[in-house]
Amino acid sequence: DTAVSQTPKYLVTQMGNDKSIKCEQNLGHDTMYWYKQDSKKFLKIMFSYNNKELIINETVPNRFSPKSPDKAHLNLHINSLELGDSAVYFCASTFGGVNEAFFGQGTRLTVV
Amino acid sequence: RKEVEQDPGPFNVPEGATVAFNCTYSNSASQSFFWYRQDCRKEPKLLMSVYSSGNEDGRFTAQLNRASQYISLLIRDSKLSDSATYLCVVNRGSNTGRRALTFGSGTRLQVQP
Repeated sequence: DTAVSQTPKYLVTQMGNDKSIKCEQNLGHDTMYWYKQDSKKFLKIMFSYNNKELIINETVPNRFSPKSPDKAHLNLHINSLELGDSAVYFCASTFGGVNEAFFGQGTRLTVV
Repeated sequence: RKEVEQDPGPFNVPEGATVAFNCTYSNSASQSFFWYRQDCRKEPKLLMSVYSSGNEDGRFTAQLNRASQYISLLIRDSKLSDSATYLCVVNRGSNTGRRALTFGSGTRLQVQP
């Protein structure tokens, strides 16, 4: 039973396309995140949602739009994809934002 | 200054060696501290939480110095299976809801036979 699942695992797409990544957690957590891990392997937070409310929005291009339909889901939609968006995107969840975070397996996005 | 800074690595050590990783954080309001492990092409997973009094889990010992804003991880008797990237992780702040785990850039450990 996967705690945090995100789909798809791999995504190859052309520049200019719009794509979505989905994330679901079955842990009953109230806080969900999107992190981006670039080619240098540095994990950087993009967004945080607490009880469906956007709490943290880092300096991310507005082509990236998160959506949280309920506490268990946090999706990421990306418009007009660019080469520089190629990275691994991790979804994570935690309770209260201070406890252990559980990560999804990651979505490896390649923009060509 | 980065929020969380770690030894750059990589660390190449023989099996059985003891290795130590260091980390400093900039937000004095941080309250939770962790070491995560990330294997190649996998997601990060919690290795251990770090408590003010220091804590040990088998071959792993974590220490926290709040005054110096410094965290360490000691691995004794290194195994080949310890080869991975070790991420120092700090929670961002104390306001409810604005908390987020901030990751260091990671230190790569390669244990050699």
